[in-house]
Amino acid sequence: EVQLLESGGGLVQPGGSLRLSCAASGFTFSNYAMTWVRQAPGKGLEWVSAIGGTAGDTYYADSVKGRFTISRDNSKNTLYLQMNSLRSEDTAIYYCAKTTSGCCRFDYWGQGSLVTVSS
Amino acid sequence: DMVMTQTPLSLSVTPGQPASISCKSSQSLLHGDGKTYMYWYLQKPGQSPQLLIYEVSNRFSGVPDRFSGSGSGTDFTLKISRVEAEDVGVYYCMQGIHLPPPTFGQGTKLEIK
Repeated sequence: EVQLLESGGGLVQPGGSLRLSCAASGFTFSNYAMTWVRQAPGKGLEWVSAIGGTAGDTYYADSVKGRFTISRDNSKNTLYLQMNSLRSEDTAIYYCAKTTSGCCRFDYWGQGSLVTVSS
Repeated sequence: DMVMTQTPLSLSVTPGQPASISCKSSQSLLHGDGKTYMYWYLQKPGQSPQLLIYEVSNRFSGVPDRFSGSGSGTDFTLKISRVEAEDVGVYYCMQGIHLPPPTFGQGTKLEIK
């Protein structure tokens, strides 16, 4: 059974940093790209970042480029999102998603991790 | 970024009746490989999103056959042949060809009458 478990969310002040983790199990982690999608309170879904299976390719939304860094440790079956220079508009639930067939078939999602940026 | 426009934004359906959601993209989603990278996701209340349909019309594993996707180019439709109570939630279309980023529609909230 595929399982994705996010952690690391919380309350942080504007300008602060946070690192999210997504622990994966139930599939061969290194064979799949992984994606972060976020959802601001009461809003829709927004793609944030993605990384290839071997971590050679990374992609970012313009809204987070230069501030967020996606990475993975295939030996630990874990995906990360390092978030720096956080802004109030980054407040959201962050979901990690297993990604099949290239970019955008997000076939399994984690339960989400809430990040709140506020003073 | 590619714009995905869903209609309606909300609908209320009697159990057992059909429902239909439209999604229009600002550019064609047909790739040179012959595939059309259009997806449908459902977010049930209090839950994470889940994949329903990929590449226009392919149901993901475990998705009931009352769900069907159709369309081509820039116009797509998700249909539920007979709505059940468990189908409530917000439905999102998403394009995966004009990247980055993949873009979602605004979402369509389905409620039961």
